[in-house]
Amino acid sequence: EVQLLESGGGLVQPGGSLRLSCAASGFTFRTYAMTWVRQAPGKGLEWVSGISGSAGNTYYADSVRGRFTISRDNSKNTLYLQMDSLRAEDTAVYYCASTRGYMEHWGQGTLVTVSS
Amino acid sequence: EKVMTQFPATLSVSPGETATLSCRASQSVSDSLAWYQVKPGQAPRLLIYDASTRATGIPARFSGSGSGTEFTLTISSLQSEDFAIYYCQQYRNWPPLTFGGGTKVEIK
Repeated sequence: EVQLLESGGGLVQPGGSLRLSCAASGFTFRTYAMTWVRQAPGKGLEWVSGISGSAGNTYYADSVRGRFTISRDNSKNTLYLQMDSLRAEDTAVYYCASTRGYMEHWGQGTLVTVSS
Repeated sequence: EKVMTQFPATLSVSPGETATLSCRASQSVSDSLAWYQVKPGQAPRLLIYDASTRATGIPARFSGSGSGTEFTLTISSLQSEDFAIYYCQQYRNWPPLTFGGGTKVEIK
């Protein structure tokens, strides 16, 4: 059974940093691209960032480029999202997902709240 | 960037009836189109990919059609568990990956 488990969310002040993790199991992690998708309160889904299976290619939405960094450790079957210079508008539930262009499997999400 | 527009924003349907949801792309995405179901407090669930292929475990009452810029998700014989928000998403020539604004299917 495919499982994706996010962690690392919480309350952070504007300008602060957080690192999200996504532990994967039940599939060959290194063969899948992975993405982060977020959903702000009362809003729709927004793609945030993606990374190829080998980690050779990374991609970002304009809204987070230069502030967020996606990475992965295939030896640990884990995906990461380093979030710096956080803003109030980054408040959302963050989901990791295995990706073939479409998001095949999703985690349950972790809530990030940016507030003073 | 390919902009995805969904309509209507809200669809009121009685249980047992058919719901027809629409998604339009600002430029052709060929058949690189997926549909997701989102319920409060739950992870999104992939329903349809490649415009018309049902994901594993998805009931046959969910069907997708279309190509290019016009797409439809049809939910036949609506069940109580089908009342949710549905999103389309294109993955032609990404990044970026882009979602529509969603259609809420509510009980009439």
